[in-house]
Amino acid sequence: NAGVTQTPKFQVLKTGQSMTLQCAQDMNHNSMYWYRQDPGMGLRLIYYSASEGTTDKGEVPNGYNVSRLNKREFSLRLESAAPSQTSVYFCASSFNYGYTFGSGTRLTVV
Amino acid sequence: GQQLNQNPQSMFIQEGEDVSMNCTSSSIFNTWLWYKQDPGEGPVLLIALYKAGELTSNGRLTAQFGITRKDSFLNISASIPSDVGIYFCAGHVSNSGYALNFGKGTSLLVTP
Repeated sequence: NAGVTQTPKFQVLKTGQSMTLQCAQDMNHNSMYWYRQDPGMGLRLIYYSASEGTTDKGEVPNGYNVSRLNKREFSLRLESAAPSQTSVYFCASSFNYGYTFGSGTRLTVV
Repeated sequence: GQQLNQNPQSMFIQEGEDVSMNCTSSSIFNTWLWYKQDPGEGPVLLIALYKAGELTSNGRLTAQFGITRKDSFLNISASIPSDVGIYFCAGHVSNSGYALNFGKGTSLLVTP
């Protein structure tokens, strides 16, 4: 099925550990995004990539890095995880304003 | 980023009732969108609005792009149990491709 695939679905990290969240889309979309969702905070933009080879900071980029590996893949890296990064992370892709979201990665940092 | 204020934060209604929610911004937006998130899933686009004053329907859903370009409204008529979820408004962030700012969401519960 066409769409956005995120891995892993669940992850528990210890404070200070690093990890990479993977995202891939098969819709040939130019733009890709990473959001985090916290209770009562809605969806907040971490980073986005308007096209292959470009990345830009969103509203809450501190503590994260991203890589637009190719047109299909956009990864999010936590170099040194902190409890404040406990959240549900969503990747999305779009041709315009109509986003297709993945099903999310639930990350807990202890 | 631009602040989006979405109201109400939550609604608890009976099946068959109509629902109204709104979103306001401190800045002018060129595009307003409404998404719905089912439990455990990512949000799905419901309606997109591109012009001030535009009124667009999608089945029982109707959304409007406010004349001032700083607000938008979503109405759901004759609610059913599958309308349960979180509804988000989103607006286009200037000079940032298609990156969107999302409101904090309206959580809707519908009882049979």
